[in-house]
Amino acid sequence: DAGVTQSPTHLIKTRGQHVTLRCSPISGHKSVSWYQQVLGQGPQFIFQYYEKEERGRGNFPDRFSARQFPNYSSELNVNALLLGDSALYLCASSLAYLASAVGTEAFFGQGTRLTVV
Amino acid sequence: GNSVTQMEGPVTLSEEAFLTINCTYTATGYPSLFWYVQYPGEGLQLLLKATKADDKGSNKGFEATYRKETTSFHLEKGSVQVSDSAVYFCALLLASKLTFGTGTRLQVTL
Repeated sequence: DAGVTQSPTHLIKTRGQHVTLRCSPISGHKSVSWYQQVLGQGPQFIFQYYEKEERGRGNFPDRFSARQFPNYSSELNVNALLLGDSALYLCASSLAYLASAVGTEAFFGQGTRLTVV
Repeated sequence: GNSVTQMEGPVTLSEEAFLTINCTYTATGYPSLFWYVQYPGEGLQLLLKATKADDKGSNKGFEATYRKETTSFHLEKGSVQVSDSAVYFCALLLASKLTFGTGTRLQVTL
């Protein structure tokens, strides 16, 4: 079974540019969440999507946006890149809405390493 | 808000030593608790979980017990191996959002 797949694995962008990161969840999973992990820190929640609707948003500026497609894959978009956006961006998929439901688990992809120069 | 505090690393142990990584949390409700592990260059893997007070999660020799009275979820393993070297993250799940600690790096030597 394929796990959560993210693309690209690495990329380098210049300040002010725009970037799109992609995530394909595990087959059958309807929920996708995005996290930012700055070097040496724990992941920080950015968004959760379930059934193509935004169900949660973390404390990130409006430069960050996302969407989920009918096949449950997702894109994370970041506009006007700053040096501080350099991080590992992680996508997690779950079978159901990622709430405090018993048994709900998030499965993470290997991430996209974004470097802004 | 919700937060997770982990002990500072790195933790360096000899193979077969006993491991404890402390984790405490603050939450505005009743969260589920998790330990994730991250090997170099990889994403996060779920190690174990507990969904209510006094639950014990266990996997691959690792254990952690959900202690509501002390708001803690300490990770333990009786005998670590070199292959356990990684970064360990404690996390809580509440209102659809995972909140992570800053991670504890474990280095196991022969």
